[in-house]
Amino acid sequence: EVQLVESGGGLVKPGGSLRLSCAASGFTFSSYSMNWVRQAPGKGLEWVSSISSSSSYIYYADSVKGRFTISRDNAKNSLYLQMNSLRAEDTAVYYCARSRTMVQGVLDAFDIWGQGTMVTVSS
Amino acid sequence: DIQMTQSPSTLSASVGDRVTITCRASQSISSWLAWYQQKPGKAPKLLIYKASSLESGVPSRFSGSGSGTEFTLTISSLQPDDFATYYCQQYNSYPETFGQGTKVEIK
Repeated sequence: EVQLVESGGGLVKPGGSLRLSCAASGFTFSSYSMNWVRQAPGKGLEWVSSISSSSSYIYYADSVKGRFTISRDNAKNSLYLQMNSLRAEDTAVYYCARSRTMVQGVLDAFDIWGQGTMVTVSS
Repeated sequence: DIQMTQSPSTLSASVGDRVTITCRASQSISSWLAWYQQKPGKAPKLLIYKASSLESGVPSRFSGSGSGTEFTLTISSLQPDDFATYYCQQYNSYPETFGQGTKVEIK
């Protein structure tokens, strides 16, 4: 079964750090670009970051640039999001999602999503 | 950044109704548009990609159309399982952006 499972969410104080993980199974993880998307409570979807299959291409939303770092370990079939200098407005459910295409550097829709992990930034 | 605007924000409909949701892009995105369905507490589910291509396993009552800046998602005959929030997403360029969502409610 194709699956993505996020972990690492929790409660953190403003200015703190958290590292999210996304474990992939059921497909050739190393062939696909991967993404993080977040959703604040009661709000819509916001793209956060993308990384190509070999980590050659990395992109961030302006709202997280300089604070968040996306990475992946293809040997471990895992995607990561290192979040530093967290703010209250970073409070959200964070989803990892797979891009449909296996062509590196090409944007595509997100066809597989994890169940999400909640990050709460509060003092 | 490309802005995506959906209308309406909320839609009340009955089972069996034909439902249409519109998504407008602030600049041309060719056909690089996806539609997702999200139910409360669940992850989004891909319905349509490349504006009109039906994702595998998605019922044929869902269809998408449009190109350039104006797109539509149509549900030909609304079913009880279809009451949810729908989002469009452009993937023409970074940052990939989503519409604000359209909630389809029971009338």
